[in-house]
Amino acid sequence: DTGVSQNPRHKITKRGQNVTFRCDPISEHNRLYWYRQTLGQGPEFLTYFQNEAQLEKSRLLSDRFSAERPKGSFSTLEIQRTEQGDSAMYLCASSLPRGYTDTQYFGPGTRLTVL
Amino acid sequence: DQQVKQNSPSLSVQEGRISILNCDYTNSMFDYFLWYKKYPAEGPTFLISISSIKDKNEDGRFTVFLNKSAKHLSLHIVPSQPGDSAVYFCAASTTSGTYKYIFGTGTRLKVLA
Repeated sequence: DTGVSQNPRHKITKRGQNVTFRCDPISEHNRLYWYRQTLGQGPEFLTYFQNEAQLEKSRLLSDRFSAERPKGSFSTLEIQRTEQGDSAMYLCASSLPRGYTDTQYFGPGTRLTVL
Repeated sequence: DQQVKQNSPSLSVQEGRISILNCDYTNSMFDYFLWYKKYPAEGPTFLISISSIKDKNEDGRFTVFLNKSAKHLSLHIVPSQPGDSAVYFCAASTTSGTYKYIFGTGTRLKVLA
């Protein structure tokens, strides 16, 4: 069990540029989540996949954001035309439901800084 | 609309004593609760969880208590160790629907040697 991995760990970009982040979940996990965390706040839900299907998107996920999980394994989160308000830690989590519980395991995150 | 609240932003405890971290929620539909620990520049690490069918769950030094009528949960760490110093987040979800977690704003625990 290698855990959830995220790349890159850090990304600095200029306003208006596009960025893409990758998440590799724990191999047998069928659910994958993206969250965003800003300073002094807890993680906030962005979107969720079950296998390759994107089943929910938060209203935080504007039309500049898109996420994919093409083969039900890794996922990418793309932000187009970045804004300074997009600066945050982007966290990925995965889970495999057992009975009525669904414990999510988080990756180390990608810290985005938009200049 | 803060559905999960951690009203204490920070807590200091002497090594060996008990640490008690508190969390309140407003949505009565929540039925699964978790605590995560987070070190700087790392993702949250799962600590312990509890389903609404229980009022207590214990794992080693960590115990979570759930009071459904008060919509309150707490995490007890006994004995506290310096390595426990981190930010602790409580999270809540419903086991039907989207399974997304709603997090509190965190409590920074400092365990003094």
